[in-house]
Amino acid sequence: AQSVTQPDIHITVSEGASLELRCNYSYGATPYLFWYVQSPGQGLQLLLKYFSGDTLVQGIKGFEAEFKRSQSSFNLRKPSVHWSDAAEYFCAVGIQGAQKLVFGQGTRLTINP
Amino acid sequence: DGGITQSPKYLFRKEGQNVTLSCEQNLNHDAMYWYRQDPGQGLRLIYYSQIVNDFQKGDIAEGYSVSREKKESFPLTVTSAQKNPTAFYLCASGTRGYGYTFGSGTRLTVV
Repeated sequence: AQSVTQPDIHITVSEGASLELRCNYSYGATPYLFWYVQSPGQGLQLLLKYFSGDTLVQGIKGFEAEFKRSQSSFNLRKPSVHWSDAAEYFCAVGIQGAQKLVFGQGTRLTINP
Repeated sequence: DGGITQSPKYLFRKEGQNVTLSCEQNLNHDAMYWYRQDPGQGLRLIYYSQIVNDFQKGDIAEGYSVSREKKESFPLTVTSAQKNPTAFYLCASGTRGYGYTFGSGTRLTVV
């Protein structure tokens, strides 16, 4: 069955430090991959997506993600975090031609001043 | 501006009562989705609809019902059969392959 694993439930980084959030997926076909961000009590906002082509994908708010087929991973990165990046981050894989999305459990990001 | 509107933002349900959560989109998306979010459990799919007058059960459909009479609207009813309805409910819409746009959610509490 399709699944998405985000190994880190909670990550704390200092403001200005670099960030990497991990995502591993299980899906037999070519995946559509997404990262979303959620502020408390709000809906989810799309950060970036990968369908095909260049495996390094640029998104909004200075985020990027790299698709590594050999590792079944789609890790999210940011070179320097800001206090406003504190939120919960969800990785998702699109199945059935991306008609449905399967989400990971989420990673909560805390920023230390 | 285009987007998805969920209402109400907060909803309280008494035991044995049915309640309906509203979801409206003006993005001209064909597909619409309902997710339930509980702390530490990510998002779980309740129902989804690819076209008007058609919908499919997701992973946790028991105790819920939906309708899709118009392209713009996809209301979710939480019935009395749902024994643990307290959660944050998210509606989304999308076009195949392009990801979803989410509403701002409805927090349902049983009182």
